[in-house]
Amino acid sequence: NAGVMQNPRHLVRRRGQEARLRCSPMKGHSHVYWYRQLPEEGLKFMVYLQKENIIDESGMPKERFSAEFPKEGPSILRIQQVVRGDSAAYFCASSPRQLPDTEAFFGQGTRLTVV
Amino acid sequence: DAKTTQPNSMESNEEEPVHLPCNHSTISGTDYIHWYRQLPSQGPEYVIHGLTSNVNNRMASLAIAEDRKSSTLILHRATLRDAAVYYCILRVHAGGTSYGKLTFGQGTILTVHP
Repeated sequence: NAGVMQNPRHLVRRRGQEARLRCSPMKGHSHVYWYRQLPEEGLKFMVYLQKENIIDESGMPKERFSAEFPKEGPSILRIQQVVRGDSAAYFCASSPRQLPDTEAFFGQGTRLTVV
Repeated sequence: DAKTTQPNSMESNEEEPVHLPCNHSTISGTDYIHWYRQLPSQGPEYVIHGLTSNVNNRMASLAIAEDRKSSTLILHRATLRDAAVYYCILRVHAGGTSYGKLTFGQGTILTVHP
């Protein structure tokens, strides 16, 4: 059973471009979470999705950021018009059911660099 | 979410047991205690979780105080691969409907010496 797959592992974008980060959850998992880790900082929750629904987006910046988890295919975190401050590691996690009485499995992350 | 307090850093020698403490004095009755760790340049990794009783798995043991205001993650024989940041997280039920936010604090940086 493959783990949570994130791609690309590294992404370089120029200021003003769009970044699309993909996350394929573990097989059978319908709950997906996105986290961001800025350089030398802790992990910050961004958004929690269940198939085709956004459950909690309280950690998402109000502008330029969006997330989706379609019925078919991976979850996508989209950042429009990237700025240098978006440079960070973005981690995706999945779980087979709602937390808290189960574990979340994390991917290896996408490291976004904005130049 | 209820707050947790962990030491900033701890050190251990290889093959010795490690006890990582976590205080959570404002824990409520339905809060689960989760532990995750993050190795350098990797994503977080689940370690263990529990509610009231002590828990054991292949990676570690979780000892929960009787009043649940503190817990201890126990690594029985530390290896160099256990060097990581360890996070103690409380995950609450919200209004009877649980949902998925794990709130990571600063964690404890564990250094393991050969």
